[in-house]
Amino acid sequence: SDVLTQPPSVSVAPGKTARITCGGDNIGSESVHWYQQKPGQAPVLVMYYDRDRPSGIPERFSGSNSGNTATLTISRVEAGDEADYYCQVWDGGSDHPAVFGGGTKLTVL
Amino acid sequence: EVQLVESGGVVAQPGGSLRLSCAASGFTFDDYTMHWVRQAPGKGLEWVSLISWDGNRIYYADSVRGRFTISRDNSKNSLYLQMNSLRTEDTALYYCTKGLGMELGDPFNIWGQGTMVTVSS
Repeated sequence: SDVLTQPPSVSVAPGKTARITCGGDNIGSESVHWYQQKPGQAPVLVMYYDRDRPSGIPERFSGSNSGNTATLTISRVEAGDEADYYCQVWDGGSDHPAVFGGGTKLTVL
Repeated sequence: EVQLVESGGVVAQPGGSLRLSCAASGFTFDDYTMHWVRQAPGKGLEWVSLISWDGNRIYYADSVRGRFTISRDNSKNSLYLQMNSLRTEDTALYYCTKGLGMELGDPFNIWGQGTMVTVSS
């Protein structure tokens, strides 16, 4: 996918579930990675190869990918989850193979 | 501790050149693909370039191809980005990032704190 579409913002109350989507043409056939970036900090990998969590990332974070949409789901949202989230895919057949989505600002109400 | 430390970011003039460096420590540098990713002020992440563990495979974003050159020196555990013909739109925080493994498509699991490049007359 050359273009990955994310909603600019998602708002959720503490304790609820946040779903951040990443849309792309047949993205389900590609591997999607997710990064969390808090203000003034470098990004942190929170999900890779669609649904694998790096060590240290809470089980509240999960991922899925099918069809034209990949989703990062954060259950039991906490104030500390407030951040920008970016999806990223790898297209080995492209001469510019790594692409980021535009990012989603998650606000915890 | 696994660490990436970028340097070389300065204020440069349009049309000028700059070389960024990234010093790696805490891991076997020549086992991993390395990348540069940038972020313009207030904007999202933009992948810039990657180099395979052995330097034999290199890719660039369309926005920098022909102007930027990525390289690495495994003997010095260092990654570089030579930036020529700079444009104002190259103004960004440049991150050095490490791939999770040896595969080109592995995610970026370690990031430096970035070095700021400002292109302005």
